[in-house]
Order: sequence, then structure tokens, then C-alpha cells
Amino acid sequence: DGGITQSPKYLFRKEGQNVTLSCEQNLNHDAMYWYRQDPGQGLRLIYYSQIVNDFQKGDIAEGYSVSREKKESFPLTVTSAQKNPTAFYLCASSMGGRFYNEQFFGPGTRLTVL
Amino acid sequence: AQSVSQHNHHVILSEAASLELGCNYSYGGTVNLFWYVQYPGQHLQLLLKYFSGDPLVKGIKGFEAEFIKSKFSFNLRKPSVQWSDTAEYFCAVNARGGGADGLTFGKGTHLIIQP
Repeated sequence: DGGITQSPKYLFRKEGQNVTLSCEQNLNHDAMYWYRQDPGQGLRLIYYSQIVNDFQKGDIAEGYSVSREKKESFPLTVTSAQKNPTAFYLCASSMGGRFYNEQFFGPGTRLTVL
Repeated sequence: AQSVSQHNHHVILSEAASLELGCNYSYGGTVNLFWYVQYPGQHLQLLLKYFSGDPLVKGIKGFEAEFIKSKFSFNLRKPSVQWSDTAEYFCAVNARGGGADGLTFGKGTHLIIQP
């Protein structure tokens, strides 16, 4: 069953701790993305990766870091430098390439920093 | 930089009413346009998309949208809504240049359909 998995669904962390959110896809997609969703704010792009071992900053990359060591995995680390980390985090993937393709989204991880 | 504006943050309609959700974008070049829907407790999913060609596009569940280039608009319509259409709706754009660039989303419209 192809798709995108994000784990865990809910995550609680103490302020000042780094936390890593998992995103895995088995769609054989080249491109992967991380978005942050806040109530009334829509989705905002954090980081994206068009190919393994390469990634670019999105609109709100400060306080976040990513890696893309494998095609199917794109973990996001929320560092202690992120001033307001409590949010709903969505991972997405697309075929990538020169022409735009639809992005498919995972179920999301709701992070709460106490 | 691209931006997307959705005019209505909350819309409440009765079943069988007609729906139109506004979306305007700001970008001078060619764009790809999307409407995504987030039903309660479900993944964000694609409702419809415009890449090129006929500016009137049809999507799933009876939704359609019209791209009006002169107005930088991509409004979503449905002639008769159902209770199951209750959801959050997001308009999004991607500037055509890089195929794998991220999307720019509007802030969303929370639609409630009353039985």
C-alpha cells in the first residue's frame, strides 16, 4: 500500500529539547517537502529536497534542520532555536523533475512543546 | 515572492446551497494552481489542479474551479453542497520554473455545511 507515513502522530517535548519528526514514503518519489500548519495560517514551507543528498530552505527554515540520506526518508529536526515550535507538521512528496507534479501529503505530526 | 489570498476564512452554508470560495494569487509569471481539501481527521488531499489548457477545471466530488488570468484568480465552486463537504479548503500555487519547488498556500477557508 503506497503512501507517506509520519510518526509519531502526537509528540510532546520540553522546551529547549531538539526533536526529530519522521517522514517515509514508498512512492518512489524524488522530491520531498516539510510544511508547518498553524490555525488560521495555512501551510508554510520549511524545507524541501529535490533529490537525495540535496535540500533547500523554504519560507520558514529558521530553527529547523533536515537531512536526505535516502530517497524514501526526509526527517525534520525541530531545534531549540525554533521560537514557536508547537504546530502541526506535514510531510509531502512528489515525482519531482523539470515539470511540476502533484504533491501527496502524509497524515501529519502534532508537536506540542511544554 | 508568491502569495495567495483566500477571501473567506469561515463559511457556513446549508445543504444544497451553492458554493464559491475565492482565491487570488500574486505572481507575475506562469503558475500552477491547486485546491486542496482537509476533511476532519484526514490527510490533506488534492481536489483539483490547473496546469494549462482549459481554464475551467473539474475535480473530485463535483467541485470545479476557473482560472482567470487577468484577475489572478482561481475560485472554487460547487453548485450544491452536501454535509460531507464540511472541511478546510486551501488554495495553493507553484511558480512554474522548478518542477519540485514547494507550494505557497493560502490561509485556508473553514467550510461548515449545516444539515
